[in-house]
Amino acid sequence: AQSVTQLDSHVSVSEGTPVLLRCNYSSSYSPSLFWYVQHPNKGLQLLLKYTSAATLVKGINGFEAEFKKSETSFHLTKPSAHMSDAAEYFCVVSRSNTGNQFYFGTGTSLTVIP
Amino acid sequence: DTEVTQTPKHLVMGMTNKKSLKCEQHMGHRAMYWYKQKAKKPPELMFVYSYEKLSINESVPSRFSPECPNSSLLNLHLHALQPEDSALYLCASRKGEVENTEAFFGQGTRLTVV
Repeated sequence: AQSVTQLDSHVSVSEGTPVLLRCNYSSSYSPSLFWYVQHPNKGLQLLLKYTSAATLVKGINGFEAEFKKSETSFHLTKPSAHMSDAAEYFCVVSRSNTGNQFYFGTGTSLTVIP
Repeated sequence: DTEVTQTPKHLVMGMTNKKSLKCEQHMGHRAMYWYKQKAKKPPELMFVYSYEKLSINESVPSRFSPECPNSSLLNLHLHALQPEDSALYLCASRKGEVENTEAFFGQGTRLTVV
């Protein structure tokens, strides 16, 4: 069963405009949630993580995400897109009842238009 | 040191060759992972080692053979691969398999089977 759903396979924004990448999770247990970024032909870099502390999480490079239990969402946002933000973004859930294995979303490709 | 180092970065091999991929971390992590990633897809879990013992094998064909000689090293031995095995192979480590912490990923080995 799918544990995390990324609602958009591709998002395109203009440089300087806000970014919103959507992620919904399904879990009966308290999950840990992560956003990773992958630039072409590179490994995955952690942007931010939620592990049951503050629901608004700030990450690197100006990204942040808010954990909303009522909506089972963990959307990634950034106020102003930069050209260097163009990459693939993965939402990942880790659940304590599964030995904390990682479950990846299908990814969102972000394009930034100059 | 928060790096996971993978070598080689690129590998081209014939279907009758034997080769190995290497992964190293010095963060004291006790869980190490191999993932396979095809283009435009999320990483797929192949193997998990926990405290140097294989804990998960996601029904990977026997032409892929993992090895964990010590807590810092993880190898993936390749033999008689098929062209469809061409992919980016990612190594990752976590503090522990049952801890809800983030994974650190290497830059990957781009494998091409000819």
